[in-house]
Amino acid sequence: DAGVTQSPTHLIKTRGQHVTLRCSPISGHKSVSWYQQVLGQGPQFIFQYYEKEERGRGNFPDRFSARQFPNYSSELNVNALLLGDSALYLCASRMRQGAPGYTFGSGTRLTVV
Amino acid sequence: AQTVTQSQPEMSVQEAETVTLSCTYDTSESDYYLFWYKQPPSRQMILVIRQEAYKQQNATENRFSVNFQKAAKSFSLKISDSQLGDAAMYFCAYRSAGETSGSRLTFGEGTQLTVNP
Repeated sequence: DAGVTQSPTHLIKTRGQHVTLRCSPISGHKSVSWYQQVLGQGPQFIFQYYEKEERGRGNFPDRFSARQFPNYSSELNVNALLLGDSALYLCASRMRQGAPGYTFGSGTRLTVV
Repeated sequence: AQTVTQSQPEMSVQEAETVTLSCTYDTSESDYYLFWYKQPPSRQMILVIRQEAYKQQNATENRFSVNFQKAAKSFSLKISDSQLGDAAMYFCAYRSAGETSGSRLTFGEGTQLTVNP
């Protein structure tokens, strides 16, 4: 079975632009979470979605938004990019609410210039 | 809010030797999960071991074991018979057992483990 897949793997954007990152969870997993990992730091929670509804939001500005589709895949959108948005964006999935374990993808490396 | 602290930014170990990575956390909750994740240069966060707070017995997965001290809020990872493939960044993480706030993982800053041949 395929793991959590994220696309693209690398991305370079200019300040002020918009970016969309994509995540496909493991088949059968209905919950998707997004994390931002700045170089040299631990990941920070951005969003969690379950059954297409937002179930949690971290301390990130409104420039960050996300959604989950009927097939449980998810998109993370970031508007008006800042240099500080440069980071590795990780997606994690789990089967259901209450399941303790998460499986992570390999992330999208976003560089804002 | 919960916090996770890893006080060792870097550690090194000789191949076949044992190494212990430290983690402390702060929470007012009684029911939660603790995790150790490994992140190699491939960037994927790989689950190493999980501990449920209500279990007194320390979790073990092959060469990996934890020392969970609930009262002290300490959760260390012991790697026995270290192998070159164990070299990676290791993150300690906390998660509430409930589903409030999106059941987020709170990570520490990480410990970079080097394994010397």
